[in-house]
Amino acid sequence: DAGITQSPRYKITETGRQVTLMCHQTWSHSYMFWYRQDLGHGLRLIYYSAAADITDKGEVPDGYVVSRSKTENFPLTLESATRSQTSVYFCASKDFTSGASTDTQYFGPGTRLTVL
Amino acid sequence: GNSVTQMEGPVTLSEEAFLTINCTYTATGYPSLFWYVQYPGEGLQLLLKATKADDKGSNKGFEATYRKETTSFHLEKGSVQVSDSAVYFCALSDLRSNYQLIWGAGTKLIIKP
Repeated sequence: DAGITQSPRYKITETGRQVTLMCHQTWSHSYMFWYRQDLGHGLRLIYYSAAADITDKGEVPDGYVVSRSKTENFPLTLESATRSQTSVYFCASKDFTSGASTDTQYFGPGTRLTVL
Repeated sequence: GNSVTQMEGPVTLSEEAFLTINCTYTATGYPSLFWYVQYPGEGLQLLLKATKADDKGSNKGFEATYRKETTSFHLEKGSVQVSDSAVYFCALSDLRSNYQLIWGAGTKLIIKP
């Protein structure tokens, strides 16, 4: 299906375990983003990628790792999950044009992660 | 640095009431401004946007005007419906933020029938 998908939609894990959240987009958008959404904090950018093999830190990168070997995929890994990483995680993508500041970001449906 | 401030929610209105959700911003450049909406259990989606001063974005009966003199981008709708119940996010993007979206905290809107 066309669009941006995330998997899993729900995940429960334990402290110290490694968890990978998947994001896949079918538009060949150059930019991809990972956000976390917490009550009282709104959306916070974790990492973003401008193209395959190019990634950069956002506002809250600690404890997370990303990679982007293919344009369409942007997995987010929690190397050793902590309770503070319990959150809803959103992936987004956008294309890059000459008017990049006006480009719309398209969001996936989110992954609700609970760390026990 | 750049920032976005939204009115705190929740905002509770009756159906057919007039809606205003305030959004003000701080930016050193000339940002583009956005309103995104998040319906329950879903991801965010673009509602409207404006790219320069005095532009008016509109969609689904919602409007917002880019006011550079007051650094504001207030969201309005003349007659809300129960289906408008959602969380609304104001955001900006410009070269200085490397085209990342700078987000407001979100305003939850509850419409009662």
